[in-house]
Amino acid sequence: NAGVTQTPKFRVLKTGQSMTLLCAQDMNHEYMYWYRQDPGMGLRLIHYSVGEGTTAKGEVPDGYNVSRLKKQNFLLGLESAAPSQTSVYFCASSPDGGWSTEAFFGQGTRLTVV
Amino acid sequence: GDSVTQMEGPVTLSEEAFLTINCTYTATGYPSLFWYVQYPGEGLQLLLKATKADDKGSNKGFEATYRKETTSFHLEKGSVQVSDSAVYFCALTPDSWGKLQFGAGTQVVVTP
Repeated sequence: NAGVTQTPKFRVLKTGQSMTLLCAQDMNHEYMYWYRQDPGMGLRLIHYSVGEGTTAKGEVPDGYNVSRLKKQNFLLGLESAAPSQTSVYFCASSPDGGWSTEAFFGQGTRLTVV
Repeated sequence: GDSVTQMEGPVTLSEEAFLTINCTYTATGYPSLFWYVQYPGEGLQLLLKATKADDKGSNKGFEATYRKETTSFHLEKGSVQVSDSAVYFCALTPDSWGKLQFGAGTQVVVTP
């Protein structure tokens, strides 16, 4: 039972480099989310998707792009990494956007930008 | 906008002690309230939730009651174990898109 799988687990980037974080879920969930976790700030929503082919901005979208070409995958891209993007990134999925629906999280990607 | 405020940690307790983590919220609507837990090296997982005023969520010995009059959702456990050491996040859903608004998280350390 894989659930939500994030790739890679760790990454170090130089300022200005680009990379893509992959999130895959095997629960046939419609909704997927990308959050970043920073000390003292909890998790903040970057982008989300309510179904295949859709994306929308969250609270902190600047510097990131996303794509949801397949229902099971949600990609987060950094076109030109900055030290301010050093963070732990979590992907989550849920079966629907209900007010009380549980979200399922991946194990996170620790990204350091130097 | 909607927000969640949690007590700062770390909270250090001895095994079998009583745990309380305070959580208050501001919201324009009637959100659902959640507690998520993050064990070391893992992602977040749902601990409990409540969907309307006066609802009590419970799981694994933890409880929290949705208090609309005090806009609070405090987490309690009567007797903690070392395995309860984790970071606990209070959260709410600000709209119908399933997005979560999180508090800053409270680290709990339980010593034998």
